[in-house]
Amino acid sequence: AQKVTQAQTEISVVEKEDVTLDCVYETRDTTYYLFWYKQPPSGELVFLIRRNSFDEQNEISGRYSWNFQKSTSSFNFTITASQVVDSAVYFCALTLNTGNQFYFGTGTSLTVIP
Amino acid sequence: EPEVTQTPSHQVTQMGQEVILRCVPISNHLYFYWYRQILGQKVEFLVSFYNNEISEKSEIFDDQFSVERPDGSNFTLKIRSTKLEDSAMYFCASSDLKTGTSATDTQYFGPGTRLTVL
Repeated sequence: AQKVTQAQTEISVVEKEDVTLDCVYETRDTTYYLFWYKQPPSGELVFLIRRNSFDEQNEISGRYSWNFQKSTSSFNFTITASQVVDSAVYFCALTLNTGNQFYFGTGTSLTVIP
Repeated sequence: EPEVTQTPSHQVTQMGQEVILRCVPISNHLYFYWYRQILGQKVEFLVSFYNNEISEKSEIFDDQFSVERPDGSNFTLKIRSTKLEDSAMYFCASSDLKTGTSATDTQYFGPGTRLTVL
């Protein structure tokens, strides 16, 4: 069975601090895909990044960076120099090559305090 | 940039009534999905749809639920007899390829329909 765990339910940081959101996944499949989505207060789900299981190269996009480590089954997300607009719920998700449903974690609610 | 749209944004209904939630996926996409999110909880997969038939469904998607692509643009989720526990945000998503078959594909989500069952 597949499972995604986001142990941090709520995080608060002061603006300009760095923050890392943790994601740990479980699957027995060797081919899988990991995602991060942002859900702002308005409710929509905004795609941030997709990673396949064969590509452990870390990625940086502006203030966002992702650290994928298969050895620890983790796909962590770091926001550098956080801003108030980063306040949202962030979901990590997993999908398999054999199916197409997403398995979502429970989300981490990030509040950036000005 | 193309986007998935959903109507209505908020639907209030009485328990036992039928509701139809509507979605317009991105125009060249072939795979369609419904998810739900009970308030404060995680997003849960309901069903995926391809080539005019259900390709995958979860345990949540019981006989009370049905999906349809009535024309070339709309994708609907029907709940036949709503229950209080159906109150949730319902998200539609679409992708141009089966998720995972390409380095660039992903599922794009609509803004959601908040369903409130009284």
